[in-house]
Amino acid sequence: AQTVTQSQPEMSVQEAETVTLSCTYDTSENNYYLFWYKQPPSRQMILVIRQEAYKQQNATENRFSVNFQKAAKSFSLKISDSQLGDTAMYFCAPEPSIIQGAQKLVFGQGTRLTINP
Amino acid sequence: EAGVVQSPRYKIIEKKQPVAFWCNPISGHNTLYWYLQNLGQGPELLIRYENEEAVDDSQLPKDRFSAERLKGVDSTLKIQPAELGDSAVYLCASSPGGANKNIQYFGAGTRLSVL
Repeated sequence: AQTVTQSQPEMSVQEAETVTLSCTYDTSENNYYLFWYKQPPSRQMILVIRQEAYKQQNATENRFSVNFQKAAKSFSLKISDSQLGDTAMYFCAPEPSIIQGAQKLVFGQGTRLTINP
Repeated sequence: EAGVVQSPRYKIIEKKQPVAFWCNPISGHNTLYWYLQNLGQGPELLIRYENEEAVDDSQLPKDRFSAERLKGVDSTLKIQPAELGDSAVYLCASSPGGANKNIQYFGAGTRLSVL
């Protein structure tokens, strides 16, 4: 079984601050991808960042970076210099190994992030 | 490049009525997913297609839900008959092949309200 826990249902920070969203997961797989998706109020889900589990280096995409701790099964998202447009639901999603042909994406419950002006 | 297109955006029906949702994935994406998303929760996979073949439909309630992707391009998800508990957002997503086969591109969703 694969479960995903996002322990922060809601977070709120001021514009330009840094915020970290936490995610822990449980999987029996060894090789897998990890994703953070963002869902703004318009509800179109978009990919924020992707991490491959066998890579030790944390992924970075502009203001977004992850802290991936494989042994602890932790995959947090850091947003630096937050902007009003970052306001959205954020979903953490690990993925089973694609070697077995499974592409089932298991989403966490989400963290509602609000950036205040 | 056009994204994943879903229609309708909103649908209101009475219980026991049938309803259908349509999805047109990004051109060239062989993998297509249908998700159900309840308010305040993450999406739950209903069915996944590789071209026209349903390769994972274990979470699809087959007594009332059906899906098809006849030509391996666009897809239809149907509920018959609808129940009150089916009120949710139905999301469609698609993935390309190759190195990015695990990245999903989502449509805007269809919000279903069953009265």
